[in-house]
Amino acid sequence: DAGVIQSPRHEVTEMGQEVTLRCKPISGHDYLFWYRQTMMRGLELLIYFNNNVPIDDSGMPEDRFSAKMPNASFSTLKIQPSEPRDSAVYFCASSLSGGGANEQFFGPGTRLTVL
Amino acid sequence: KQEVTQIPAALSVPEGENLVLNCSFTDSAIYNLQWFRQDPGKGLTSLLLIQSSQREQTSGRLNASLDKSSGRSTLYIAASQPGDSATYLCAANRDDKIIFGKGTRLHILP
Repeated sequence: DAGVIQSPRHEVTEMGQEVTLRCKPISGHDYLFWYRQTMMRGLELLIYFNNNVPIDDSGMPEDRFSAKMPNASFSTLKIQPSEPRDSAVYFCASSLSGGGANEQFFGPGTRLTVL
Repeated sequence: KQEVTQIPAALSVPEGENLVLNCSFTDSAIYNLQWFRQDPGKGLTSLLLIQSSQREQTSGRLNASLDKSSGRSTLYIAASQPGDSATYLCAANRDDKIIFGKGTRLHILP
C-alpha cells in the first residue's frame, strides 16, 4: 500500500483565497483524521471521520474551515477565505479502527503558506 | 482536558550514548500511548504503541514504558546514532482522539 496520500505537498496562496487540501487514506481504514501543526501550538486534531461520517469537529478553529469525506477513499479540508494565521502544516492520518486499539498512519503533510 | 507534556524540548547527546525521553499526561484514562518520530519537513512515523494494559513495548534499540498511575511514559534509545536525530512526539489516545505533546528535538552528535 502507498500509505496515506496528501496533495498538494506545498500550497502558497494569498489571503482571502480558497484553499482545498486533499487526502487519500490507506485502503480499508475506517477512520480518517485531519491535524494542523504549528510551532506555537504543536499538533492539533481538527476533525475526524468514521466510515465517512464526521464524528468530532470540535477542533475546527472557525467556520472558515470545512471538511468532507464523500467516499471511503477521499477527503478534503477546505479553508475559505484563507488568512495568514492559517499558515501551518496540515496532516491527514488514517487508522484501521477506533477505540484506541490501532495506531494512526500519517501522510506527509501539506505545507500551507497564506500571504 | 488531556494535556501531554514532553521535557526537555531539545536534547543533544554524543553518539553511542543511551538516552531517555520523557512524556507526561494529565488524564490517566487513556486507551494507549504512542511514540512518533518526525524528521524535518516530513510526516510522522509511528515507533511504538503501548496499550493501556501494557507496561512496555520494544522495537530494536527502542523501548517505551507506560505508567498510567503516574501519568508518565518514557522512550529509551540505546546506543544512539546520528540517524536517530529527529523530533520525537508522544501522544495519548482516548475516545479515538490523540493529544500530542510538542515533542523533544533530539540531536545526536557524531
